[in-house]
Amino acid sequence: DVKVTQSSRYLVKRTGEKVFLECVQDMDHENMFWYRQDPGLGLRLIYFSYDVKMKEKGDIPEGYSVSREKKERFSLILESASTNQTSMYLCAYGTSGYEQYFGPGTRLTVT
Amino acid sequence: AQRVTQPEKLLSVFKGAPVELKCNYSYSGSPELFWYVQYSRQRLQLLLRHISRESIKGFTADLNKGETSFHLKKPFAQEEDSAMYYCALTMGGANSKLTFGKGITLSVRP
Repeated sequence: DVKVTQSSRYLVKRTGEKVFLECVQDMDHENMFWYRQDPGLGLRLIYFSYDVKMKEKGDIPEGYSVSREKKERFSLILESASTNQTSMYLCAYGTSGYEQYFGPGTRLTVT
Repeated sequence: AQRVTQPEKLLSVFKGAPVELKCNYSYSGSPELFWYVQYSRQRLQLLLRHISRESIKGFTADLNKGETSFHLKKPFAQEEDSAMYYCALTMGGANSKLTFGKGITLSVRP
């Protein structure tokens, strides 16, 4: 049973702080994704990565960056957190059949 | 650009009633479509994909290319079906990027 883990379930940060959200998959999948999930807006893709050190912008990359130094780990970085980045953040990996498998999510609150 | 539209935000039905969750898409090529489900306090998970043409938990979905729709149906809803449902589309290719709809909450009342 392949797993995707995220470093925190709940996180509270102050405006202006640098925030790291970590995601780890326990298989050798190349494609990994970061989404934010907001009521009424669904899932929106922030960034994705199709290999180590490779990254591509999704639909809403502003205010975010990512890091993929190892295949199993994909980090989302908020350089200077703002209140409008309060959200649920979901990490996923993708298979060759285009299915995606999600982590449990990190609920980030920026005050 | 591809787009997925779920026109309703909420569907509330009684147990045993039929359910249809609507999904329309816009994409000029041959997409692959999925339904994902998120039960309360659980992670988002794949429910079914059109290529499989299978029934999962009594749900089916047929891809209608003429109407560009991929509606999710179940003849008799159960209380445990209450969840958030998302329709998603991919163009395929190496990156397997998905585009999601905004989701619909299904509430099944006893």
